[in-house]
Amino acid sequence: GAGVSQSPSNKVTEKGKDVELRCDPISGHTALYWYRQSLGQGLEFLIYFQGNSAPDKSGLPSDRFSAERTGGSVSTLTIQRTQQEDSAVYLCASSPNYEQYFGPGTRLTVT
Amino acid sequence: SQQGEEDPQALSIQEGENATMNCSYKTSINNLQWYRQNSGRGLVHLILIRSNEREKHSGRLRVTLDTSKKSSSLLITASRAADTASYFCATDVRGGAQKLVFGQGTRLTINP
Repeated sequence: GAGVSQSPSNKVTEKGKDVELRCDPISGHTALYWYRQSLGQGLEFLIYFQGNSAPDKSGLPSDRFSAERTGGSVSTLTIQRTQQEDSAVYLCASSPNYEQYFGPGTRLTVT
Repeated sequence: SQQGEEDPQALSIQEGENATMNCSYKTSINNLQWYRQNSGRGLVHLILIRSNEREKHSGRLRVTLDTSKKSSSLLITASRAADTASYFCATDVRGGAQKLVFGQGTRLTINP
């Protein structure tokens, strides 16, 4: 069956621009997670959705970062006024219980 | 700081040898999971071990969990070139939100 998909796979943007990253979870998975991974580093938790609500936003680095989820399905992560330190791979995962299924990620490069 | 820390940070062995990676964590957990990541993209779930389990097997993988030492190990037996990847442990923190806290990973290289 279809896995988690993310788009775009790569995004190059200029400093100061806004970007939107999209995640399509596996159908029926109620939980959805966003992580960020800088080069050679581990995963940094950003935000978690249960259905359409986000009980844990503790990982969002600043108020430039926001995320929403609609219809218990697709989620978008928005970064406003991008900075060079935002450059990373942004990974989305969905989960029916404990095990998380990851998408291929979006590589964001801010120039 | 990270909940999970893997050791070693990098490991290079010959094909056919066994590879052992360790993970330590700080707080009480519900379960611990191991994931593999190829080429810096999506992670693949390998195995989950619950806090009341001590050992679990899946194919060539063996995971142990010692909650008294807050540590886990992942053993890959009879390694293959295709096992070359980064391996991460992740903990589901008891009492916290349902999120996984990942370690920094071990970069495993299998030399042919």
